[in-house]
Amino acid sequence: DTEVTQTPKHLVMGMTNKKSLKCEQHMGHRAMYWYKQKAKKPPELMFVYSYEKLSINESVPSRFSPECPNSSLLNLHLHALQPEDSALYLCASSHPISGSTYNEQFFGPGTRLTVL
Amino acid sequence: AQKVTQAQTEISVVEKEDVTLDCVYETRDTTYYLFWYKQPPSGELVFLIRRNSFDEQNEISGRYSWNFQKSTSSFNFTITASQVVDSAVYFCALSGDGGFKTIFGAGTRLFVKA
Repeated sequence: DTEVTQTPKHLVMGMTNKKSLKCEQHMGHRAMYWYKQKAKKPPELMFVYSYEKLSINESVPSRFSPECPNSSLLNLHLHALQPEDSALYLCASSHPISGSTYNEQFFGPGTRLTVL
Repeated sequence: AQKVTQAQTEISVVEKEDVTLDCVYETRDTTYYLFWYKQPPSGELVFLIRRNSFDEQNEISGRYSWNFQKSTSSFNFTITASQVVDSAVYFCALSGDGGFKTIFGAGTRLFVKA
């Protein structure tokens, strides 16, 4: 299995809703990532988990809350989002090639989020 | 600081033409990794190649080839005999040794017309 899956593919939510994005990989990768991508822009890193521990939080607002329940799963909990949070949310995973450096990332298809 | 520059915002070619996508990077790391990813209209980023800073060999994979030159800090990507299916946004990316962060360039949107 060489893919990263994400659910849902599309999500429309109001500013008062609570929702979650899910990501799963079965490649044995020990790093998992959340990216946000706006139209015609490159992906922006949000969070990185390494060995199920949060390693990087790129100053993301607290209305985004990541969770890594195990080495295969990554969630992103959403609460009280703003319309400007509408974007494509991409999950990725990668495998270590040395003690602290990671290999290329494999991306999921993304969740296209619209906040009304 | 690390930086990746893809000066070409959009390129349009006719099928079967060769096209080169430019990538220039900046880093102070002595060990680093360069990548190319393809993002078709479906949205999923697809990994194409990884190059280590200590390996300047050029690489060819089918119609794709990559030219890595440390002297000019460039990692260019050439598609030979382009096809409509090559239409996508292509991102060049850089990561340093000892970190998870990958810096993406702004991307080059390639249109291949039939």
